[in-house]
Amino acid sequence: DQQVKQNSPSLSVQEGRISILNCDYTNSMFDYFLWYKKYPAEGPTFLISISSIKDKNEDGRFTVFLNKSAKHLSLHIVPSQPGDSAVYFCAASVNNNDMRFGAGTRLTVKP
Amino acid sequence: EAEVAQSPRYKITEKSQAVAFWCDPISGHATLYWYRQILGQGPELLVQFQDESVVDDSQLPKDRFSAERLKGVDSTLKIQPAELGDSAMYLCASSLEGLGNNEQFFGPGTRLTVL
Repeated sequence: DQQVKQNSPSLSVQEGRISILNCDYTNSMFDYFLWYKKYPAEGPTFLISISSIKDKNEDGRFTVFLNKSAKHLSLHIVPSQPGDSAVYFCAASVNNNDMRFGAGTRLTVKP
Repeated sequence: EAEVAQSPRYKITEKSQAVAFWCDPISGHATLYWYRQILGQGPELLVQFQDESVVDDSQLPKDRFSAERLKGVDSTLKIQPAELGDSAMYLCASSLEGLGNNEQFFGPGTRLTVL
């Protein structure tokens, strides 16, 4: 039962351009959404989050958008940098319990 | 900077053997999580502790997996007997509290290969 889906396994963008990573979910009870970034041989690291009461949260080059009616969220990175190359996981939880992760999207930012 | 520690980083074992993984969360973090990540998939929660108590182990295959956090600090995840399908990355994470919106901090993981 995959409640969080990342349908694009990979994404390649040019340095300086915008990266848009997408995530869809099925459980309308999710009230908190997060993006994690993972480099090889490391555990995921928290990147940015958004509560279900908001539709946008921005932190520097990273912005997360939430569309509850569509059960969709996206992560925008602008401008993209080569150091952003990593696997990005979307995650969702109900009151921070039973967090569900998507399968991840591998972002490659080309110089 | 405080980090979640895990050991070993890599483990190779034969099927039917027993394996154990250790996790030391960030000091002061009451909530500890064990996840399993199969190649090409996202992490899947196996068990969640609040202090020394299990609050969610609904996804833990209890016939072969066990987890404990006896003193409410570090934790051990055990598999006995290991099966080929257990090959995966086992991730430990911790957070300040299990309720409310608290960021989970992940350790580097233990990569298990079952032959």
